[in-house]
Amino acid sequence: NAGVMQNPRHLVRRRGQEARLRCSPMKGHSHVYWYRQLPEEGLKFMVYLQKENIIDESGMPKERFSAEFPKEGPSILRIQQVVRGDSAAYFCASSPEALGETQYFGPGTRLLVL
Amino acid sequence: DAKTTQPTSMDCAEGRAANLPCNHSTISGNEYVYWYRQIHSQGPQYIIHGLKNNETNEMASLIITEDRKSSTLILPHATLRDTAVYYCIVRVANSGYALNFGKGTSLLVTP
Repeated sequence: NAGVMQNPRHLVRRRGQEARLRCSPMKGHSHVYWYRQLPEEGLKFMVYLQKENIIDESGMPKERFSAEFPKEGPSILRIQQVVRGDSAAYFCASSPEALGETQYFGPGTRLLVL
Repeated sequence: DAKTTQPTSMDCAEGRAANLPCNHSTISGNEYVYWYRQIHSQGPQYIIHGLKNNETNEMASLIITEDRKSSTLILPHATLRDTAVYYCIVRVANSGYALNFGKGTSLLVTP
């Protein structure tokens, strides 16, 4: 059973460009969570999605950031007009439909904004 | 979710047991204790969780005090690969919401 997959693992963008981060949950999981870890800091929750629905986006910056989890395909975290402060590791986690408590994390995408 | 308190850092000799404490004095009856760890540059890894009984799996043991105000994660035979930041998190099960990662305990396993 493959774990949570994220791609790309590393992403370099120039200021003003768009960044798209993808997350494929574990097989059978329909709950996806995105977290951000700034350099030398702890993980901070951003958004929680179920298929085709955003359930909690209380940790998401109000501008430039968006997330989706379509009926088919991976979850996407999109950052428009990136700035240097967006440089961080972005982790995705998933949990199974029946039991929501244990979240399993992917390896992360490291975004560097030049 | 209840707040947790952990030591900033700990050392452990390879092959010895690593005992990582966590205080959660404001825990409520329906809150579980979860442990995750993050090895440098990797995603967090689930270790174990429990409600009030002690738990054991292939990775570790979790000892929760009778009043549930504190717990200890035990790695019975620490290896160099166990060097990581360990996070104790308290949350309501099946809530489907965020894990609140604090600063955790940085465990260094030495040869």
